[in-house]
Amino acid sequence: RKEVEQDPGPFNVPEGATVAFNCTYSNSASQSFFWYRQDCRKEPKLLMSVYSSGNEDGRFTAQLNRASQYISLLIRDSKLSDSATYLCVVIPNTGNQFYFGTGTSLTVIP
Amino acid sequence: DAGVIQSPRHEVTEMGQEVTLRCKPISGHDYLFWYRQTMMRGLELLIYFNNNVPIDDSGMPEDRFSAKMPNASFSTLKIQPSEPRDSAVYFCASSLNSGSWDTQYFGPGTRLTVL
Repeated sequence: RKEVEQDPGPFNVPEGATVAFNCTYSNSASQSFFWYRQDCRKEPKLLMSVYSSGNEDGRFTAQLNRASQYISLLIRDSKLSDSATYLCVVIPNTGNQFYFGTGTSLTVIP
Repeated sequence: DAGVIQSPRHEVTEMGQEVTLRCKPISGHDYLFWYRQTMMRGLELLIYFNNNVPIDDSGMPEDRFSAKMPNASFSTLKIQPSEPRDSAVYFCASSLNSGSWDTQYFGPGTRLTVL
């Protein structure tokens, strides 16, 4: 079983829509979680960390559900510029490995 | 800051040839990571260094792959001999210290095609 699994999409949503992605992880002892964003043919860049209590950054909300072993990313009021691939990252409690999901592709349509 | 620098940006080579990818991390960063990205497998961590010392190379696919970090400002990833299945985008990333595992700064990547 993969350490991290994401629905690859693609998600095609109209401008202004709300969209959510999930990412499941297999190691229940995982300790740190993040979302990265990767534009087409570019490098990944950190979008936001995921805290146990959930956290928000503008239109973006990240949540962690330890019981069901998944993290989520919610984007409200989607903009054309949100079109990208969103990668989740899980770090196990050993702290010496990074596991990236394969990414979820989002296209925001005018 | 110039960010993480990688070279070459694109490499096309023939099967059996040696390929060397280069990376200059952000100055002052203690950690350097090499990743490979393909459509099928996503982003895979190959190896990472802490203060120029390889810490975990369990992601290196096989003996044809080797990585070095002779000093704090330079690292190489070598494939010898290269095979078509090595075609991928190879990213180098660096981070400041172990307290900043989340903030990895990626270079622009090297797009490798092995014919």
